[in-house]
Amino acid sequence: SYELTQPPSVSVSPGQTARITCSGDALPKQYVYWYQQKPGQAPVLIVYKDIERPSGIPERFSGSTSGTTVTLTVSGVQAEDEADYYCQTAVTGDTYVVFGGGTKLTVL
Amino acid sequence: EVQLLESGGGLVQPGGSLRLSCAASGFTFNNNAMSWVRQAPGKGLEWVSAISGSGGVTYFSDSVKGRFTISRDNSRNTVYLQMKSLRADDTAVYYCAKVVSVDYFDHWGQGTLVTVSS
Repeated sequence: SYELTQPPSVSVSPGQTARITCSGDALPKQYVYWYQQKPGQAPVLIVYKDIERPSGIPERFSGSTSGTTVTLTVSGVQAEDEADYYCQTAVTGDTYVVFGGGTKLTVL
Repeated sequence: EVQLLESGGGLVQPGGSLRLSCAASGFTFNNNAMSWVRQAPGKGLEWVSAISGSGGVTYFSDSVKGRFTISRDNSRNTVYLQMKSLRADDTAVYYCAKVVSVDYFDHWGQGTLVTVSS
């Protein structure tokens, strides 16, 4: 089955830049989507189609892609950005949707 | 404003059944595929199932195939997840999500907790 690999955790100090990676063999051919999930809340879409940002999402959240790795960058991290972040892609065949394992962003 | 409201969760014994509902509003329901995503306690997101806007095409993860069915009533703007032969590892918060372009989820409900335990 297809897998997306994320680091379990990333820690940064307020105001610094956090980078969360997501790796998968098919990513050069598939869009990646990013979700933010705070404790006790539903996920929220923060990046779609690798680099696009939905309305209402702060500009400090951005996506980029290079080969088999996509990166979510949070510039000028704020305390409120502490959350779990999940990447996701859609694949052909029976699997349909795959999520990465999630990355916990800790703001020190 | 898009709203998704799940219901039907609760405590069920292993081997039992449960039906979840998701009432949608704020968008043209039959124009969008819908999906269920679950999250076991302390774990990550796991996609479960999806259904096309017309209801004619359905998808399931390997972990629930043959045990869960998904359906929708476009006259009621509601999508359902019928779960049978439930196991302890089906314990999770089940989220309903609105699908965009068959690929991703732009709105999520608040989730309903399903606990499978004797």
